[in-house]
Amino acid sequence: DAGITQSPRYKITETGRQVTLMCHQTWSHSYMFWYRQDLGHGLRLIYYSAAADITDKGEVPDGYVVSRSKTENFPLTLESATRSQTSVYFCASSGTGGINQPQHFGDGTRLSIL
Amino acid sequence: SQQGEEDPQALSIQEGENATMNCSYKTSINNLQWYRQNSGRGLVHLILIRSNEREKHSGRLRVTLDTSKKSSSLLITASRAADTASYFCATDALTSGSRLTFGEGTQLTVNP
Repeated sequence: DAGITQSPRYKITETGRQVTLMCHQTWSHSYMFWYRQDLGHGLRLIYYSAAADITDKGEVPDGYVVSRSKTENFPLTLESATRSQTSVYFCASSGTGGINQPQHFGDGTRLSIL
Repeated sequence: SQQGEEDPQALSIQEGENATMNCSYKTSINNLQWYRQNSGRGLVHLILIRSNEREKHSGRLRVTLDTSKKSSSLLITASRAADTASYFCATDALTSGSRLTFGEGTQLTVNP
């Protein structure tokens, strides 16, 4: 069944470690997004991508790196994890028609940094 | 600060009652969207209303948009226990390059 999948679903790591969250979509959607969801802040955009090899910063990009070598994959890397990056991370995608079209979300990665 | 803000933050009703959630935003938009999030899951798109539309229906959902007041409402009629979820509005403010900005959501609890 087509969809958007995130892995892992849960991750515990230590401060200073590098961690990569994976996102894969099967719709060949142009746009892909990474959000973090925290109590009191709602959903905040970290990075997004309009197409393969095109990425741009969102609202809270510091401490994160993304790449998009293939249309279907959009990994998010925390280069040196900090406790403030403990959060639930959501990947989303949307098709053609612009960046403001309805988005399809994965079920999230719950990341805890000790 | 958030472009879209939902009100109330939490709402508890009985099955069969109607639930109304509101969203206010600050700057001009092209469209406004509503999403639902069940506990432990990702957001699911419910409905999109364009700035030149005033009302839209989808099943038991009714969305209104008042651009003069910069506000929208989501009405769920004849609610069911399965409607228990968080509901978010998302706006594509022109000032943010039309990227979607999500509010903090309304937590709806429907008691059986």
